[in-house]
Amino acid sequence: GQNIDQPTEMTATEGAIVQINCTYQTSGFNGLFWYQQHAGEAPTFLSYNVLDGLEEKGRFSSFLSRSKGYSYLLLKELQMKDSASYLCAVKQIKAAGNKLTFGGGTRVLVKP
Amino acid sequence: EPEVTQTPSHQVTQMGQEVILRCVPISNHLYFYWYRQILGQKVEFLVSFYNNEISEKSEIFDDQFSVERPDGSNFTLKIRSTKLEDSAMYFCASSEGPGRSLTYEKLFFGSGTQLSVL
Repeated sequence: GQNIDQPTEMTATEGAIVQINCTYQTSGFNGLFWYQQHAGEAPTFLSYNVLDGLEEKGRFSSFLSRSKGYSYLLLKELQMKDSASYLCAVKQIKAAGNKLTFGGGTRVLVKP
Repeated sequence: EPEVTQTPSHQVTQMGQEVILRCVPISNHLYFYWYRQILGQKVEFLVSFYNNEISEKSEIFDDQFSVERPDGSNFTLKIRSTKLEDSAMYFCASSEGPGRSLTYEKLFFGSGTQLSVL
């Protein structure tokens, strides 16, 4: 089976940095995704890591260590609109297409 | 940006009734998916569909569920006899076919159908 763990909730101040950790245990790992989900809305793609290292995209960066089964999403210069749930999701080699298994999500609350 | 569209946005039904949730995936995409999210819980995979057949399904996707691509644009999820526990937000998603580009790996989600079974 698979196990994907991430903290349930985090609070940070506008303008600050927040790091959301995700650990996973899976067979046939073939990539890790981060999605953002505002309440009542669909998940939207943020980042994808398949090799070890850091991927930077504007204010958001994502890191992966395959040997440790660990990823983090780094949100810089937080804005109020960043208040949302952040979903870590794992893709397996055997999965047809892009079937993803999601963690429970981390709800980030940005305060003024 | 192209988007996945789902109808209806809300569906209320009585237990035991059949429902059909509709989706129009992005036009050049080849893989289609249904996910669901029970309120306050994680997004769960239901089924993936490629080349006019189911490519993978989860244990949630039992005989009460079926999917169909009735024409070149629509992708539907049917629940034959709804149960109370089927109440959830149902998301359709699509992605490009096999390839080397990053965009192939992205799932594009529709805005969901909130299903309430009474």
